[in-house]
Amino acid sequence: GQNIDQPTEMTATEGAIVQINCTYQTSGFNGLFWYQQHAGEAPTFLSYNVLDGLEEKGRFSSFLSRSKGYSYLLLKELQMKDSASYLCAVRDSWGPRGGGYQKVTFGTGTKLQVIP
Amino acid sequence: GAVVSQHPSWVICKSGTSVKIECRSLDFQATTMFWYRQFPKQSLMLMATSNEGSKATYEQGVEKDKFLINHASLTLSTLTVTSAHPEDSSFYICSARAQGQGNSGEQYFGPGTRLTVT
Repeated sequence: GQNIDQPTEMTATEGAIVQINCTYQTSGFNGLFWYQQHAGEAPTFLSYNVLDGLEEKGRFSSFLSRSKGYSYLLLKELQMKDSASYLCAVRDSWGPRGGGYQKVTFGTGTKLQVIP
Repeated sequence: GAVVSQHPSWVICKSGTSVKIECRSLDFQATTMFWYRQFPKQSLMLMATSNEGSKATYEQGVEKDKFLINHASLTLSTLTVTSAHPEDSSFYICSARAQGQGNSGEQYFGPGTRLTVT
């Protein structure tokens, strides 16, 4: 099974930087995703990490440390439209290569409020 | 980019009736589709994984006879909520993984279907 933890809520100021942390425990780690979800809408993909290190994509960056079971999503130059829930999701894989099984489990999400 | 559609986007039905939700990958072939359910202020909970041409794999606690999943083609999966009850009211979201994407791939989410059972 998996255990994924992230803060429930965060507040940050427009133009600032915010870091959303995610810790996880899993037995067959095979990638970590970050998604953005606005209220009443489906999640949209932000980033994917499978190796240790930082992945940068515009104003969004995601970091992974597999040995620590830790990731963070960094949002720079915050805009009001960034107010949303941010979901950390971990993929488990098991079984033989090419015929194995995969499952992505989502954390409960971090609701970010950007204030002027 | 990869687009996934869902139909209907919202539906209201009476208790005891069945509702079918369609999930389509519009510009790619999806060997695997996932069905999630999300209750208010909660995260997505995986209900089942469906692979084209084979039976769906249901998560623990999800009744396979109540939530019927059919993945008959590489672009279409359907979820039928049979004998719906008010507690089935939720936001149902499908996602798809493209053929050949393997381990590197992300899931592309549909826009979701809001089901209200009265």
